[in-house]
Amino acid sequence: QQQVKQSPQSLIVQKGGISIINCAYENTAFDYFPWYQQFPGKGPALLIAIRPDVSEKKEGRFTISFNKSAKQFSLHIMDSQPGDSATYFCAASIYNFNKFYFGSGTKLNVKP
Amino acid sequence: DAGITQSPRHKVTETGTPVTLRCHQTENHRYMYWYRQDPGHGLRLIHYSYGVKDTDKGEVSDGYSVSRSKTEDFLLTLESATSSQTSVYFCATGRGASGGRENTGELFFGEGSRLTVL
Repeated sequence: QQQVKQSPQSLIVQKGGISIINCAYENTAFDYFPWYQQFPGKGPALLIAIRPDVSEKKEGRFTISFNKSAKQFSLHIMDSQPGDSATYFCAASIYNFNKFYFGSGTKLNVKP
Repeated sequence: DAGITQSPRHKVTETGTPVTLRCHQTENHRYMYWYRQDPGHGLRLIHYSYGVKDTDKGEVSDGYSVSRSKTEDFLLTLESATSSQTSVYFCATGRGASGGRENTGELFFGEGSRLTVL
């Protein structure tokens, strides 16, 4: 059973638009929620992360929204650019246990 | 970038043969991980290590074993490869999150090893 469920599987957005990717989890012990970005032929790299004591974290055009009661979190990419075209993975872990579970990934295509 | 080297980067083998993938890091990170990436499944944890000779199973550990005799090296072995183990394998390392907020728990990934089992 997948610990973290991610949707959509793929996403097409026009340049300048907002990209939204959603994730949900069941294990209430999870307390660290990172997002990773992967370009073709490369390994994933950390994009942004949040802990559940805040409901939102913003870094540049990237924002994580976190809803603890619904056990959901999402990534918003504002003013999406063609260079943002990549696969995005959400993940969850119990912070001090360092065991990370990833979602199934979302392939984002930003059209010029 | 964390110095993580995976070898081999590409391998084609036949069903029933043993295969070993190597991950080497130069960052002295305590934690090391092996993930496999498959379409529709994302990244799934195979095994991970929290120190020399200390390892634990992940979500999809059947058919895989690991060893870590030195901080810098983490080996993944398929004792008898099957076609279902055709995948891209990623090694990752991490310092390990702890109570201090300055430690982000970030994982650093290698560039992957593509394994094809015929």
